[in-house]
Amino acid sequence: GAVVSQHPSWVICKSGTSVKIECRSLDFQATTMFWYRQFPKQSLMLMATSNEGSKATYEQGVEKDKFLINHASLTLSTLTVTSAHPEDSSFYICSATGTSGRAGKGGTQYFGPGTRLLVL
Amino acid sequence: GQQLNQSPQSMFIQEGEDVSMNCTSSSIFNTWLWYKQDPGEGPVLLIALYKAGELTSNGRLTAQFGITRKDSFLNISASIPSDVGIYFCAGQRSRAGGTSYGKLTFGQGTILTVHP
Repeated sequence: GAVVSQHPSWVICKSGTSVKIECRSLDFQATTMFWYRQFPKQSLMLMATSNEGSKATYEQGVEKDKFLINHASLTLSTLTVTSAHPEDSSFYICSATGTSGRAGKGGTQYFGPGTRLLVL
Repeated sequence: GQQLNQSPQSMFIQEGEDVSMNCTSSSIFNTWLWYKQDPGEGPVLLIALYKAGELTSNGRLTAQFGITRKDSFLNISASIPSDVGIYFCAGQRSRAGGTSYGKLTFGQGTILTVHP
């Protein structure tokens, strides 16, 4: 239980295009989803917190117009990187927490497998 | 943003040896979590600790939630090659309604290499 998936697992795009990454909770309802980015050999950096049905809360320094987050249902959140540039190349990871079962205990976050983005 | 102080940064050990890593913080957390991340993958939860002083085991892994709520350690006994990876501690403040509710603060990670 408490499985989170991400799609795609990797994507290569041209500079200036937009890329959408999906995060799904497969066996629980995710009331809250979190989006992180991770640079090589570094720790995870929280970008934003997304609650189902409401606007995402962005961390300081993260541009909300560049990283659009939508959490339209209890099992799906999307991150859209708009007008991507090479410096946006990174490993993007989502996590989810729910209100029941294993994922609901203490708000424990379960992570997706990540999406590697390369902007050329 | 704030990070936990995790040590050591890296470890090179022989198969069969025991491993210990720890995290400290200047502030209190309600929950401590330990994750393992393999290259190109997302972190996988190893152990979650919810009460100060709690000692929890998961197979060869043992973790403790410090009594002051400002630290935690993870021990791996009798290491094997598949223990290789990056281990992250994370602290969580679980007070509902607060602005930091549910957010994780991560340590810098400990890179573990196990020589057969």
